Amino acid sequence: GAGVSQTPSNKVTEKGKYVELRCDPISGHTALYWYRQSLGQGPEFLIYFQGTGAADDSGLPNDRFFAVRPEGSVSTLKIQRTERGDSAVYLCASSATVGGSEAFFGQGTRLTVV
Amino acid sequence: EDKVVQSPLSLVVHEGDTVTLNCSYEVTNFRSLLWYKQEKKAPTFLFMLTSSGIEKKSGRLSSILDKKELFSILNITATQTGDSAVYLCADAGNNRKLIWGLGTSLAVNP
Repeated sequence: GAGVSQTPSNKVTEKGKYVELRCDPISGHTALYWYRQSLGQGPEFLIYFQGTGAADDSGLPNDRFFAVRPEGSVSTLKIQRTERGDSAVYLCASSATVGGSEAFFGQGTRLTVV
Repeated sequence: EDKVVQSPLSLVVHEGDTVTLNCSYEVTNFRSLLWYKQEKKAPTFLFMLTSSGIEKKSGRLSSILDKKELFSILNITATQTGDSAVYLCADAGNNRKLIWGLGTSLAVNP
């Protein structure tokens, strides 16, 4: 597509529920990043993919968070047993290569856990 | 530990003023330094800097990198209210993930 697309744009869920956030990167971009951002903070790294594999998942806060990119394109971030502290904007970005080129961001998914 | 520090954290100016935003970094295996503008949700890309001393320009915005002193600046001349945003600096450092600063919140008053 023309840009990085994230769905849904907003998600409100109850504490303890499971959520999936989707990211559709720019076509042909091999690197895909997930970040989350709280108010007044810079983006916090979660995980990045090079192709289908998670090259670095060191930013995932705990085992409730998981992400996949089975065909090397669309990625899904999955959060189990959501907690109120998971509320944030979840940003996805893609770049043509890892690290050496600019990353383009989607509009993010605002997750609110009530 | 890799880190990126931006200053000031916030800035209020009047339309027409010139501003300089600072970004210093300490990273292993430096690859590139990126500037983004964030108005609502998603950061939008401004510049990527990889070489020292070469200024990049886009309209009223310009940026330069000093790899010896490990910093970059972003200049905005003749500021407009539409420049109001958070400006983020990021380094594609070790492990190739982006290391972000906290951003500079710029408010341009009419």
